[in-house]
Amino acid sequence: AQSVTQPDIHITVSEGASLELRCNYSYGATPYLFWYVQSPGQGLQLLLKYFSGDTLVQGIKGFEAEFKRSQSSFNLRKPSVHWSDAAEYFCAVGPPSYGNKLVFGAGTILRVKS
Amino acid sequence: GAGVSQSPSNKVTEKGKDVELRCDPISGHTALYWYRQSLGQGLEFLIYFQGNSAPDKSGLPSDRFSAERTGGSVSTLTIQRTQQEDSAVYLCASSLALLEAFFGQGTRLTVV
Repeated sequence: AQSVTQPDIHITVSEGASLELRCNYSYGATPYLFWYVQSPGQGLQLLLKYFSGDTLVQGIKGFEAEFKRSQSSFNLRKPSVHWSDAAEYFCAVGPPSYGNKLVFGAGTILRVKS
Repeated sequence: GAGVSQSPSNKVTEKGKDVELRCDPISGHTALYWYRQSLGQGLEFLIYFQGNSAPDKSGLPSDRFSAERTGGSVSTLTIQRTQQEDSAVYLCASSLALLEAFFGQGTRLTVV
């Protein structure tokens, strides 16, 4: 069965430091990949997505993610974290075939130290 | 509408009562999802509708939970005989075919 693993439940970084949030998936084929962010008291917002092509994708708010097929990973990165980035981040995979659902990871809570 | 709309935004109910949560997806979106998010927990998948196909109900936690989607648009999630452990934020999302899901703001359910 499809699954998504976000191994880090909580991550704390200092403002201005770089960030990498990990996401690994288990799937029979190359899926569509997404990162969402949920700020406190807010709904989920799409940060970026990968469907095909260039394996390094750029998203909103200065985030990027790299798809690595050999590692079944889609890690989210940001070179310099801002205090406003404190939120919960969810990785999700969707199958490249019609009719199947998105599967979400458990989420990683990011705390930013000033 | 411009986005996914959920109502009510907040619901407080007494234990044992039934509740209905509504989701209006983005017009034209064929897929609709319900998720549950408990305090400090991730997204728990509940049910998935895709077009005219039979819904994927594999995430519903008990037979007290049910959902329907009328006319391929509006969806209602019903929880019968609510329990305190049902307290959570219930999120609805819709998507167009294989593209990304758009989420509503959620319904915060509190069972007292």
